Amino acid sequence: DSGVTQTPKHLITATGQRVTLRCSPRSGDLSVYWYQQSLDQGLQFLIQYYNGEERAKGNILERFSAQQFPDLHSELNLSSLELGDSALYFCASSVVPSGRDYTGELFFGEGSRLTVL
Amino acid sequence: GENVEQHPSTLSVQEGDSAVIKCTYSDSASNYFPWYKQELGKRPQLIIDIRSNVGEKKDQRIAVTLNKTAKHFSLHITETQPEDSAVYFCAARANDMRFGAGTRLTVKP
Repeated sequence: DSGVTQTPKHLITATGQRVTLRCSPRSGDLSVYWYQQSLDQGLQFLIQYYNGEERAKGNILERFSAQQFPDLHSELNLSSLELGDSALYFCASSVVPSGRDYTGELFFGEGSRLTVL
Repeated sequence: GENVEQHPSTLSVQEGDSAVIKCTYSDSASNYFPWYKQELGKRPQLIIDIRSNVGEKKDQRIAVTLNKTAKHFSLHITETQPEDSAVYFCAARANDMRFGAGTRLTVKP
């Protein structure tokens, strides 16, 4: 158990719909990262938050948005869903913010598997 | 942003042989290079990491080397076992953590 909690584990929805994925980081971790992993693909970096503020943005579509709340949990909102959005969405957390010092192991949650029909 | 390339995409070895996976990165500010192992349907888990002030690190059958000048780093697995079969990802941290495309390693008994 990594200590990172993601809900829901599985989600099936239709094209055009909107969903919200939730992530609770490990206790004490201030940074939260979101990654998208399509079938047999790599880990595509979407976005990173540190202590409530956006720190880095990757290949995140305009239909997607995220935020980190004061209690440090994060939500990834996916709207106007398309078939190609079907993927495993991982949240990861770390202690050290990006761009600082050497460390920063990422601890991954179990992922939220989104299926768009 | 950082761009990480990983080769090969698939690798098949006989049990007991060695496996080597190579990665290159683009951002000279990257200072932390972890390797993750992902088994089918599971989350990625860290197996070894190296920081930019170190050239090599070893942990039992696993070793990682870093060449900062050439901006490449490699994972070496010796005496491979069937349970080493998985997808391996390299990553590099500059302003954020970017991953390579992954290598599917198959160890044949």
